[in-house]
Amino acid sequence: AQTVTQSQPEMSVQEAETVTLSCTYDTSESDYYLFWYKQPPSRQMILVIRQEAYKQQNATENRFSVNFQKAAKSFSLKISDSQLGDAAMYFCAYRAQGGSEKLVFGKGTKLTVNP
Amino acid sequence: GAGVSQTPSNKVTEKGKYVELRCDPISGHTALYWYRQSLGQGPEFLIYFQGTGAADDSGLPNDRFFAVRPEGSVSTLKIQRTERGDSAVYLCASSPPGLAGGSGELFFGEGSRLTVL
Repeated sequence: AQTVTQSQPEMSVQEAETVTLSCTYDTSESDYYLFWYKQPPSRQMILVIRQEAYKQQNATENRFSVNFQKAAKSFSLKISDSQLGDAAMYFCAYRAQGGSEKLVFGKGTKLTVNP
Repeated sequence: GAGVSQTPSNKVTEKGKYVELRCDPISGHTALYWYRQSLGQGPEFLIYFQGTGAADDSGLPNDRFFAVRPEGSVSTLKIQRTERGDSAVYLCASSPPGLAGGSGELFFGEGSRLTVL
């Protein structure tokens, strides 16, 4: 079974600085998607960024970028120029192609942004 | 509506009671998922529908939990004989047909917080 591990329960960063959140996963599949979701206190999961496993180029979305290391099964999220609104729970998630295509989540990292 | 809608937003019930939680997915989304999120944890998969049928119910914890999607749109998660351990946020998500070549993204609602006293 696929598993996702987030080893940092909590992280903090100063406003305008950069922070990296770690994620590793375990799978025997070759085709899959990886995601970072943000969950503010409103509870709604919001997609931050996604990566297709067949793409070697790391995904970027404005201030958010990933470091995808397929052989190492690592998928870290870098947030640049952190803003107060970035404070939230961040979940790394894996989704295989085929089968039930369900998302498998890590336990999350709580990010605090200090002014 | 534009997004995934879940009702009720909050539900408080007593141990042993029956509860229904409703999910209205984004129009046109054929896939629908239910997740359970306990305090301080990531969401855990419960069940996945493709159209009207449950394609994967491997995450349902026991036979007190059941979900339906009779017309391939709205889904109801049903919990019988509720226990205190069922207290959690129940999240619903939907996605459009055709994962391959698509974004792979799931679109989530704001969840229903269930508290069993």
